[in-house]
Amino acid sequence: GESVGLHLPTLSVQEGDNSIINCAYSNSASDYFIWYKQESGKGPQFIIDIRSNMDKRQGQRVTVLLNKTVKHLSLQIAATQPGDSAVYFCAEKAGTYKYIFGTGTRLKVLA
Amino acid sequence: DAGVIQSPRHEVTEMGQEVTLRCKPISGHNSLFWYRQTMMRGLELLIYFNNNVPIDDSGMPEDRFSAKMPNASFSTLKIQPSEPRDSAVYFCASSFRLNYEQYFGPGTRLTVT
Repeated sequence: GESVGLHLPTLSVQEGDNSIINCAYSNSASDYFIWYKQESGKGPQFIIDIRSNMDKRQGQRVTVLLNKTVKHLSLQIAATQPGDSAVYFCAEKAGTYKYIFGTGTRLKVLA
Repeated sequence: DAGVIQSPRHEVTEMGQEVTLRCKPISGHNSLFWYRQTMMRGLELLIYFNNNVPIDDSGMPEDRFSAKMPNASFSTLKIQPSEPRDSAVYFCASSFRLNYEQYFGPGTRLTVT
């Protein structure tokens, strides 16, 4: 399948452990953020989003935290499973319909 | 629902040739986006359409790139002439409305030799 990138930062976690993936965004005016998951050979898939008037949002096994002071976004995955292995991207939107994507982090789940 | 459909999945061509990438958005979606993904630059928005009309093409790298959306169910991204630095994975995405969640296709891997 299509390779996303050979030189991405990689996070290796043991199956069952929690994962935390971090992202620094660039524009202090960004008002909406999304985390995407991209598996090998597939396009990015929406995981969870958060608006700038929130600092935390929870989904099924995932939590996104937003720290506007330091322009930092994190994705927490609880009880990481082998199917969570993928590249994860954050994306920010600042007042337009254009999203700016981060470079991505590769998550490897160790059995 | 079949999701966003892209063709071809893989394209290998020689420098100078014309390349046409195709996309069928999800039925009922009014907005369509073309992205390019490379190791060096990550995922970049090239152009997006709303109701078949190009809204913002500021991400299109050069005049060699053009995109059309003749109807609500079909869009093309054309590169003429192609160059080796155009090698990348090209994604098409669609959304119900402009500000809604985008659904990505599987991508087309383009290799220009």
